[in-house]
Amino acid sequence: QAGLTQPPSVSKGLRQTATLTCTGNSNNVGNQGAAWLQQRQGHPPKLLSYRNDDRPSGISERLSASRSGNTASLTITGLQPEDEADYYCSAWDSSLSAWVFGGGTKLTVL
Amino acid sequence: EVQLLESGGGLVQPGGSLRLSCAASGFIFSNYIMTWVRQAPGKGLEWVSDINGGGTAPSYADSVKGRLTISRDNSKNTLYLQMNSLRAEDTALYYCAKGPLSGTGIGDLDYWGQGTLVTVSS
Repeated sequence: QAGLTQPPSVSKGLRQTATLTCTGNSNNVGNQGAAWLQQRQGHPPKLLSYRNDDRPSGISERLSASRSGNTASLTITGLQPEDEADYYCSAWDSSLSAWVFGGGTKLTVL
Repeated sequence: EVQLLESGGGLVQPGGSLRLSCAASGFIFSNYIMTWVRQAPGKGLEWVSDINGGGTAPSYADSVKGRLTISRDNSKNTLYLQMNSLRAEDTALYYCAKGPLSGTGIGDLDYWGQGTLVTVSS
């Protein structure tokens, strides 16, 4: 199954802002949006944002998600050391009838 | 509190079989699509299979079709993955995840278990 496209890595300084991107097509991201997951080393993925860009309860307000066409974005403001993790986007692909994921972006906080 | 606990992973020879289980609690299990997602060592996430709330409509990734079978027992709040004809490329951490509300498509893969490791090697 075809996946979504994410940059492999992003590096930003402490307290800076990072914007992660996820590009799909009209059958997935462009159709119903993308959810965002965070995976810290040795831990399972954790949902940060639903496909409608809402945050689950307990997720920091420093995180915000948006979408423009076939590209979804996750913006993290005021970067902290604990934000260092792998970030994945996911979407339902109506053509494949399958969940598709991005390859993940490793966020490094300098 | 939603909890998902996978079990059944282990070391198996190529061509062998394993049965994974995922015990769920903290939500109305039969109302939700349940999903298996795997992650090969050092790699990203790959959707494997999912099944609707009633257990009547399974879906599979092309890479596992015909070899893996998903099922659920709503009376036991448990999801299963029967894995046959295993290959080296099936080696991964297998997660179960709670999916959208069955019959609506509303929701996401919002809760994940800790995963169970499957290693296929001779």
